[in-house]
Amino acid sequence: EAGVAQSPRYKIIEKRQSVAFWCNPISGHATLYWYQQILGQGPKLLIQFQNNGVVDDSQLPKDRFSAERLKGVDSTLKIQPAKLEDSAVYLCASSDKGLRSNEQFFGPGTRLTVL
Amino acid sequence: ILNVEQSPQSLHVQEGDSTNFTCSFPSSNFYALHWYRWETAKSPEALFVMTLNGDEKKKGRISATLNTKEGYSYLYIKGSQPEDSATYLCALNSGGQNFVFGPGTRLSVLP
Repeated sequence: EAGVAQSPRYKIIEKRQSVAFWCNPISGHATLYWYQQILGQGPKLLIQFQNNGVVDDSQLPKDRFSAERLKGVDSTLKIQPAKLEDSAVYLCASSDKGLRSNEQFFGPGTRLTVL
Repeated sequence: ILNVEQSPQSLHVQEGDSTNFTCSFPSSNFYALHWYRWETAKSPEALFVMTLNGDEKKKGRISATLNTKEGYSYLYIKGSQPEDSATYLCALNSGGQNFVFGPGTRLSVLP
């Protein structure tokens, strides 16, 4: 079974530029999550999708961050414009609602550096 | 907002040493606790899902215990090896599908 795919793996941009990340979850997983992990902190949920609908985006800085999952499969997360404090690893995860454990499966992340 | 804590923040041990770290969480908001191992440049890998008070789980040299009444879980590594070097994350699931992660414990095993 293929895992969660993310691209790019690394990105370096200057502040005020825009950037987009892509995620392809495990086939058949209805739930998709985007997390932000800042150095020294645990992953923080930015947005959760159930199929193509948003379940929770309470911690998404909506003035600069946006995400979509138009066909209920892959997803993109965009930052426009980026700030220095957006430097972090952006993790995508997916889960199968049928799993009683609610286990989440993670991609390798995109490491963003904003200069 | 739920707060999940982990200690220590980082740890350096010699190869062959045994070690353990702690995850603390609010005991009133418990459905499951997940442990992940996250090696640099790789995906976080699920180690254990723990749901019942008193649970003990083991995978090779790694084991974990759970106390939901007092709100903590311990992760133990017996005979640490350099390949155990990683960040170990715990995540609290309070029901539903949302996780709250701790800040992680960064383990370095020196050969």
